[in-house]
Amino acid sequence: DVKVTQSSRYLVKRTGEKVFLECVQDMDHENMFWYRQDPGLGLRLIYFSYDVKMKEKGDIPEGYSVSREKKERFSLILESASTNQTSMYLCASSFLGAQGDTQYFGPGTRLTVL
Amino acid sequence: DQQVKQNSPSLSVQEGRISILNCDYTNSMFDYFLWYKKYPAEGPTFLISISSIKDKNEDGRFTVFLNKSAKHLSLHIVPSQPGDSAVYFCAASARGSQGNLIFGKGTKLSVKP
Repeated sequence: DVKVTQSSRYLVKRTGEKVFLECVQDMDHENMFWYRQDPGLGLRLIYFSYDVKMKEKGDIPEGYSVSREKKERFSLILESASTNQTSMYLCASSFLGAQGDTQYFGPGTRLTVL
Repeated sequence: DQQVKQNSPSLSVQEGRISILNCDYTNSMFDYFLWYKKYPAEGPTFLISISSIKDKNEDGRFTVFLNKSAKHLSLHIVPSQPGDSAVYFCAASARGSQGNLIFGKGTKLSVKP
């Protein structure tokens, strides 16, 4: 079974703090993704990476950065957390199967910025 | 502009009956479609997928239908169970998109006992 783990399930931070969200997958997947989920807005892609040290902006990259130093690990960084970054953050990894790419998600991190 | 649309934010169904969740897309380059199920405070779970070369895929109680000419897919759950109550996301991808999926905004399914 694919296993995607995220470092924290719940996190509370203060405005202006630097926040690190870690994601690890154990299936040797090439691609990794960070999303945020907000009510009524669905899943919005923040950044993705298709290889070590490679990163691409998604739909809402502002206020975020990422790091992928190892294939299995993809980190999301909030340089200076703000209250509008309070959200559920979801990490995923994917492989290209015979028919198409299937993403597998971690359990999510509920981040609250006060 | 939304490329994948789930026009019903919510759906309520009686236990034992059929649940039908719908999804429309606009991009004719999409060739792979997926459904995910999400419980509150958890990550989405992959449910079922379908390639554009097929028009139906079945897995137990779950069947996905694809109508390419109408750019429409649907997920049928038969029979519906209270444990199926969750948010369901439709997603689509195109070859060469580096694994990117385009998600709909989700439909919240409530199955009443």
